[in-house]
Amino acid sequence: SQKIEQNSEALNIQEGKTATLTCNYTNYSPAYLQWYRQDPGRGPVFLLLIRENEKEKRKERLKVTFDTTLKQSLFHITASQPADSATYLCALENAGRRALTFGSGTRLQVQP
Amino acid sequence: DAGITQSPRHKVTETGTPVTLRCHQTENHRYMYWYRQDPGHGLRLIHYSYGVKDTDKGEVSDGYSVSRSKTEDFLLTLESATSSQTSVYFCAISEDGWDSSSYNEQFFGPGTRLTVL
Repeated sequence: SQKIEQNSEALNIQEGKTATLTCNYTNYSPAYLQWYRQDPGRGPVFLLLIRENEKEKRKERLKVTFDTTLKQSLFHITASQPADSATYLCALENAGRRALTFGSGTRLQVQP
Repeated sequence: DAGITQSPRHKVTETGTPVTLRCHQTENHRYMYWYRQDPGHGLRLIHYSYGVKDTDKGEVSDGYSVSRSKTEDFLLTLESATSSQTSVYFCAISEDGWDSSSYNEQFFGPGTRLTVL
């Protein structure tokens, strides 16, 4: 079955450093992959989408890579700030449905 | 925030009682979704709708039913609530189109915290 894996352990980094989060998937060849941010007690918010024919996508301090051979996406936040502290979810198209399958998310904590 | 509201925001109920959660949107988006979010499981799709009266099941649909009689409203019903349905429920919407050129970004509501005792 389609499976998405994100590191369940929280990632703790110092302010100003680059945070790198990983999303691995199996048993699927998605046309695109999305990243969302979720703050406690709130719904996820869309950040970026990267298509299968794109190796890298950038938006301000965010960068996403997509390696369809490795079946992996990396999500980078450069010059991280305490305000970046949140849980980050990756998502890809749910096979056979017009919907998304989400990973369980990785919690990022940026220390001042 | 996208125009999505969920009601109620919090509910405590007893095992065996029926519960209906409502999602309302003002964006006129075609697709609407219900997810549940539990620790260690992330967001799991319960049901979704691709138009008025058009719905389909997600991975965890057992024990849930949905209805969509108007574009703006998507109802999730637990016919007989069980303790395993204690969770946070999120509604989401997205615009039409699932071809490779469309974005399919999803907009989420604020969530409903449901506790079944």
